[in-house]
Amino acid sequence: QLVLTQLPSASASLGASVNLTCTLSGGLTPSAVAWHQHQPEKGPRFLMKLDSDGSLIKGDGLPDRFSASNSGTEHSLTVSSLQTNDEAVYYCQICDSGFPVFGGGTRLTVL
Amino acid sequence: QVHLAESGGGVVQTGRSQRLSCAASGFTFSTYGMHWVRQAPGKGLEWVAVISSDGSFKKYAASVKGRFTISRDNSKKMLFLQMNSLRVEDTAAYYCAKDRGDNTNWPDYWGQGTLVTVSS
Repeated sequence: QLVLTQLPSASASLGASVNLTCTLSGGLTPSAVAWHQHQPEKGPRFLMKLDSDGSLIKGDGLPDRFSASNSGTEHSLTVSSLQTNDEAVYYCQICDSGFPVFGGGTRLTVL
Repeated sequence: QVHLAESGGGVVQTGRSQRLSCAASGFTFSTYGMHWVRQAPGKGLEWVAVISSDGSFKKYAASVKGRFTISRDNSKKMLFLQMNSLRVEDTAAYYCAKDRGDNTNWPDYWGQGTLVTVSS
């Protein structure tokens, strides 16, 4: 069974960039990885889905400041020009055994 | 635009039942699979259940299988989660989420959530 490992927390300064990682282990490399943002007091928001062939699907209205990449078992979400409202928990997600599986989430603090 | 609104949360005693609802709008509800995902206090997201666009296919997480039932009413654009034999560990915010297609397992829109507290 695939396991998604995310660091519990990350921080970066206002206007800077941050790279959030999601490391896959325990099984075959999935065909795609998605990222979701969960701001306080709100429902989660789908950000984007990056397929293994490089095709990318972005959520509605997502700024170009958000980008995704992958390198083998390590997948990354990069947020550039950080804003205060980027403070949130970011989850990576795959499809394994026929259902969605989420990483533990990384809480991003904008300093 | 897509809008999902959950309701039905509240405080319930262990062993009792609760029914959650999710009202959908802004998309052709009857052509998309739908999910329930929950978040326990201080924890991450946990997928709970999925239902196909026509309701013929349902799948559950092992933690709720046999106790929870997902259903939908396409004529009313409503999604439901019937939760029976509730346990303290079922305490969570419950979110409904739209699938990108029909059970692709890629949620692309989420509701605001409804909080269920199971007390002993």
